[in-house]
Amino acid sequence: KNQVEQSPQSLIILEGKNCTLQCNYTVSPFSNLRWYKQDTGRGPVSLTIMTFSENTKSNGRYTATLDADTKQSSLHITASQLSDSASYICVVAYGGATNKLIFGTGTLLAVQP
Amino acid sequence: IAGITQAPTSQILAAGRRMTLRCTQDMRHNAMYWYRQDLGLGLRLIHYSNTAGTTGKGEVPDGYSVSRANTDDFPLTLASAVPSQTSVYFCASSPRLMGGANVLTFGAGSRLTVL
Repeated sequence: KNQVEQSPQSLIILEGKNCTLQCNYTVSPFSNLRWYKQDTGRGPVSLTIMTFSENTKSNGRYTATLDADTKQSSLHITASQLSDSASYICVVAYGGATNKLIFGTGTLLAVQP
Repeated sequence: IAGITQAPTSQILAAGRRMTLRCTQDMRHNAMYWYRQDLGLGLRLIHYSNTAGTTGKGEVPDGYSVSRANTDDFPLTLASAVPSQTSVYFCASSPRLMGGANVLTFGAGSRLTVL
C-alpha cells in the first residue's frame, strides 16, 4: 500500500533553534518528493521538489534531503523564526507520466519566543 | 497578485442543501484540482481537470461534481450536502496535469460545515 508517514506529529522549539522533520514513504514507482508549508487558515505553499537523482535541495533556511534507497526524506529548518510556525507536509508523487500525489498528515511546528 | 481565489471563505450549510464552491485562477494553468483536508488525514483529491472541457475523478469523488467551462474557473458542487462533507476544501492548479515536477499552487481554502 502506498503510504507517506511523517514524524513527529508536532514539535515545539525555541526561536533561533534548528529542527529536523522526517518523512518516510512506501510508494512505487517513485517520481518526486515535495515539501509544503501550510500556515494556519491558509493553503499549502511549495518549499522544495526533489526527483530521484537529487539528494538535497535548499530554499533559504529550509534544506530538504532525500534518500531514495531507504525511502526517507527530511526537512531541516535552520535558525528558526516565529514565522516558521506552521504545518509542514510531505508529498510523494508516483505513477510515471501522469503523477498521482500522496499527502502526509503533516508535522505541526510551533516556534516560541 | 497572481494566484487562486476561492469563495466562500467559510459556510455553514444544512444537510440536504446544494452548495457550490467557487475557484478562479489567473495563472493560465491548464490543470486544476479540488482537495479536501480533514483532521488527521492528508489532503485527498476529489476531482481534477486536465484542460477546459475535461474532468476526472480523484480518490474521493462521491457526492461531488465539477465542471470546467473555461481555463480559469473550476467550481465544485455538492448536490445534496451530508455531514461527512464537513471539511476544508482547497482548490489548486498546475501548469500541466501532475507529470514531472509541476508545482501545485493552492488557494486559501473554503471551510464548509454541514449540520
